Amino acid sequence: EADIYQTPRYLVIGTGKKITLECSQTMGHDKMYWYQQDPGMELHLIHYSYGVNSTEKGDLSSESTVSRIRTEHFPLTLESARPSHTSQYLCASSDADSNQPQHFGDGTRLSIL
Amino acid sequence: KNQVEQSPQSLIILEGKNCTLQCNYTVSPFSNLRWYKQDTGRGPVSLTIMTFSENTKSNGRYTATLDADTKQSSLHITASQLSDSASYICVVSDRGSTLGRLYFGRGTQLTVWP
Repeated sequence: EADIYQTPRYLVIGTGKKITLECSQTMGHDKMYWYQQDPGMELHLIHYSYGVNSTEKGDLSSESTVSRIRTEHFPLTLESARPSHTSQYLCASSDADSNQPQHFGDGTRLSIL
Repeated sequence: KNQVEQSPQSLIILEGKNCTLQCNYTVSPFSNLRWYKQDTGRGPVSLTIMTFSENTKSNGRYTATLDADTKQSSLHITASQLSDSASYICVVSDRGSTLGRLYFGRGTQLTVWP
């Protein structure tokens, strides 16, 4: 099992609330990622980071923001949640070697009412 | 357009039987191809990674093959078990950037019945 943790696992919250999804890894990986996954669909990259103080937007446009102040921590924030944000959010990390696998957390299933 | 297509979309087999899942891709340039297993409600877990020079790789009862010329890969599962019920995702990485951009398939949903 990979040492990457996401909290909360499930979150049901009302429209307009500010949300932070937590992701931490203990493997010392420089690269970290956030993906969005809807049922039966492929994963879409929304944010990634090469290391501390590095953040980039991914392929799928997202109203969320991320920060990377510490190597092990890569939180994702939604300033004002909307029903369209309802989805599963998966965090991953990997070694610098591009031929190494990504290690995924178990995800946060987010429902916005 | 870089794409990863998986077939079948879903598959039901009986416990103890073998099965083969397919992955076709158009990603270029090619760096590596990965197979992940995703249990319901969990994150994907890596099964195999193959680079251009590798045409087969095994991980226990899972054997992946790669034909880089035809841009096809397969994942063969031997003597299936109930715990093999999951979504199997094919992922292809390109060499176009330092990040090694990943292209995800939609997965094959495998159900193993007793």
